[in-house]
Formats: sequence, structure tokens, C-alpha cells
Amino acid sequence: DAGITQSPRYKITETGRQVTLMCHQTWSHSYMFWYRQDLGHGLRLIYYSAAADITDKGEVPDGYVVSRSKTENFPLTLESATRSQTSVYFCASRRDRGFFSYGYTFGSGTRLTVV
Amino acid sequence: QKEVEQNSGPLSVPEGAIASLNCTYSDRGSQSFFWYRQYSGKSPELIMFIYSNGDKEDGRFTAQLNKASQYVSLLIRDSQPSDSATYLCAVFVDGANSKLTFGKGITLSVRP
Repeated sequence: DAGITQSPRYKITETGRQVTLMCHQTWSHSYMFWYRQDLGHGLRLIYYSAAADITDKGEVPDGYVVSRSKTENFPLTLESATRSQTSVYFCASRRDRGFFSYGYTFGSGTRLTVV
Repeated sequence: QKEVEQNSGPLSVPEGAIASLNCTYSDRGSQSFFWYRQYSGKSPELIMFIYSNGDKEDGRFTAQLNKASQYVSLLIRDSQPSDSATYLCAVFVDGANSKLTFGKGITLSVRP
């Protein structure tokens, strides 16, 4: 199916464990993004990627690692999960035409609970 | 630092009324503006974008942009209970490494 998909939809993990959230898009969009969304904070950018093998930090990158070996995949890893990382995580890709952006399309999200 | 501010909510309107959602931004270089709708427990969904001063209409939705005053608004005519959601304003400064800056959103409730 065309689009952007995230997995898993729900995840419960223990403090200190490593967790990887997956994101896959079928459009070959260059730009991809990871956000977390928490009550009172809105959407906060964790990491983004301009192309395969090009990634950069957003506003809240600590405790997270990303990679992008292929254009279509952009996994997010929590190296050692903490309770403060309990959140809803959204992956997004950006549709561009030259320097003009048509905005982001978001995946369905992953609800992560760290106990 | 780029900021996007949305007027405080929540906003409650009766069914059939016009809902007016406002957003101001600080970066005068902002060139594209987006409105996303997010239902509870769902991901944000793009409903409108605008990049020229003036109004842009799409069905019951109208986006209004005033770059001189640095505000963008979303009007929802004939509001329906199904419009009840959180609406996120986002702005974009065109360029290769630019990213959308989101407001925190405003929650709209349409009373039957």
C-alpha cells in the first residue's frame, strides 16, 4: 500500500531497554521526520533526514538515535528507554516540488509506554 | 527563534456556526502555511495550505493569510460535530533544510 506506515502501533517496554520504532514510506520522499507529541508540548522534532545517510538533530534528540540506510526507511531507536520517553511518536515525510513544500504526511503513530 | 502561536482554547461553537481559528508567526521569512486537523488518538492530517496573501477556499474551509500582520486563520463554515478536533497551524520557510514549525494546537468542540 502506498503511504507512510509505522510499527508497532503500541509498545510497552521497561526502563533501560533498547526500543526501535519503524517508519516506512513508499513515495521516495527525500525528507523524513520523527516527532513526539505530549500534552502541553505539542509536536516536538526529535530528528530529521534530508536523504539516505543524511540525518540531523531536532529540538529534543537526547536519548534517541536514527539511521537511514535506504530512502524509504527511517527507524528511531531509544538506546536506553526512560519513563520520560513515554509518548506518542509520529513519523512524517515531506512532499516537495523544488524548494516548495506541500507539507508533511504523518504516519499513524506509535504509542510508547516505558514502565 | 521561529514561533507559531495559536489563540488559547478550547473553542466551543454550536453546530452550524462559523468557527474561527487564528495563528500568528514570528518569522517574516515564512512563506507557506498549513492547517492540520488531529482527531483524538489519531495522527495530524493536512486539510489546507496557503502561500499567497488573501483567502483560499476549499468546501467549508477557508484559509486566510495576511503576511504584513503575520497571521493566518482558518474559518470553518457550517460547523459539524465531526469537525471537533485539535487544529494545528504550521509555517514553513522555503529552502532545502527548512522544517515546518508547529503551533501547539487549539481544540475545537462543535456542540450539536
